[in-house]
Amino acid sequence: EIVLTQSPGTLSLSPGERVTLSCRASQSFSSDYLAWYQQKPGQAPRLLIYGASTRAIGIPDRFSGSGSGTDFSLSISRLESEDFALYYCQYYGSSSGVFGQGTKVEIK
Amino acid sequence: EVQLLESGGGLVQPGGSLRLSCVASGFTFKTYAMNWVRQAPGKGLEWVSALSSSGANTYYAASVKGRFTISRDNSKNTVYLQLNFVRGEDTAKYYCAKGSRYQMLLDHWGPGIPVTVSS
Repeated sequence: EIVLTQSPGTLSLSPGERVTLSCRASQSFSSDYLAWYQQKPGQAPRLLIYGASTRAIGIPDRFSGSGSGTDFSLSISRLESEDFALYYCQYYGSSSGVFGQGTKVEIK
Repeated sequence: EVQLLESGGGLVQPGGSLRLSCVASGFTFKTYAMNWVRQAPGKGLEWVSALSSSGANTYYAASVKGRFTISRDNSKNTVYLQLNFVRGEDTAKYYCAKGSRYQMLLDHWGPGIPVTVSS
């Protein structure tokens, strides 16, 4: 079973800064099967990126995803106030939908 | 507009049972896989189960396999999650989520329903 490890656990940043979140897999898989979600307090998660780099409908272009094999990343070019949230990566291939443990992006 | 609304949550004793429901609208329900994802208090997301569009194929996380059962009624646009032999670690908010081009790629989520396992 694939295990996804996200790092760091928490990032403290200021609005306007650029941030990159990491998601590392225990074994290699196609980038077709890697997604990123955003979750704000008290809300359901929202799909941001799928296929490692394709933005979901309505997602601003300051969000971008990249990676392949076992190493994937989510970048936010310029943090806005609404971007401070939890972010999860997910593998959705085969017969499992496993999530990483999440990275919290908080206001410094 | 896609909408998903869970119901059936609440307090259940250890070893007991509960059935969650999720009513869907705004899309052709019978053509998409459906999933359940849970989140324990203060913890991360845990994928729980998925069901193919026809209902022929089911998938479960190891932590719930043999205890939980996913099913659907395409005539009622509803997906269910039957929780049996529940344990304290099953306490969580349970989200219903719609699959998309891939069964477990989740493009729409319900607001979630809390389940508390306690005596």
